[in-house]
Amino acid sequence: GAGVSQSPSNKVTEKGKDVELRCDPISGHTALYWYRQRLGQGLEFLIYFQGNSAPDKSGLPSDRFSAERTGESVSTLTIQRTQQEDSAVYLCASSLPGNYGYTFGSGTRLTVV
Amino acid sequence: AQSVTQLGSHVSVSEGALVLLRCNYSSSVPPYLFWYVQYPNQGLQLLLKYTSAATLVKGINGFEAEFKKSETSFHLTKPSAHMSDAAEYFCAVTVNTDKLIFGTGTRLQVFP
Repeated sequence: GAGVSQSPSNKVTEKGKDVELRCDPISGHTALYWYRQRLGQGLEFLIYFQGNSAPDKSGLPSDRFSAERTGESVSTLTIQRTQQEDSAVYLCASSLPGNYGYTFGSGTRLTVV
Repeated sequence: AQSVTQLGSHVSVSEGALVLLRCNYSSSVPPYLFWYVQYPNQGLQLLLKYTSAATLVKGINGFEAEFKKSETSFHLTKPSAHMSDAAEYFCAVTVNTDKLIFGTGTRLQVFP
């Protein structure tokens, strides 16, 4: 596609429920990244994919968080048993390897009530 | 490990005034440095990047930044602010990896 697409754009969920966030990167971008942005804060790195493998998942905050990528395209970030501190905007970005010019999606705003 | 520090979480300028947003980096090896802008309710957009070529980097919308190794700085400037420049600005660093480390951001307000 022309840009990085994320869905849903907004998600309100009850504490304890599981959520799935989707990222559709730019076609041909083999590198894909997930970041979290809490209100009024900077971007917190979560995980990086190169193709279908994740060489760096050091930012995943707990084992409730997981991500996968299939077919070198779509990625899903899953948060199990959501907690209120998971409320944030989850941003996805993609790039060509070594390009260092990320293209970001508009994010998914997750609110846990 | 590399990091960036953005001095000033909020900066206010008058329209037409100089914009200066500060970023200092920490890295044991030569870094690549970036500035991104985030308009309300939007994703981040790349303004400019330094990747070890010219130390003065020009970006979109009239912004530029200068890499100063002696000061470990990569400050973002624009000679004359426009109302449309009001946004959140993020400095980021990477060293031979594809993972960007972001600063905490600086919110720029522009007054008429």
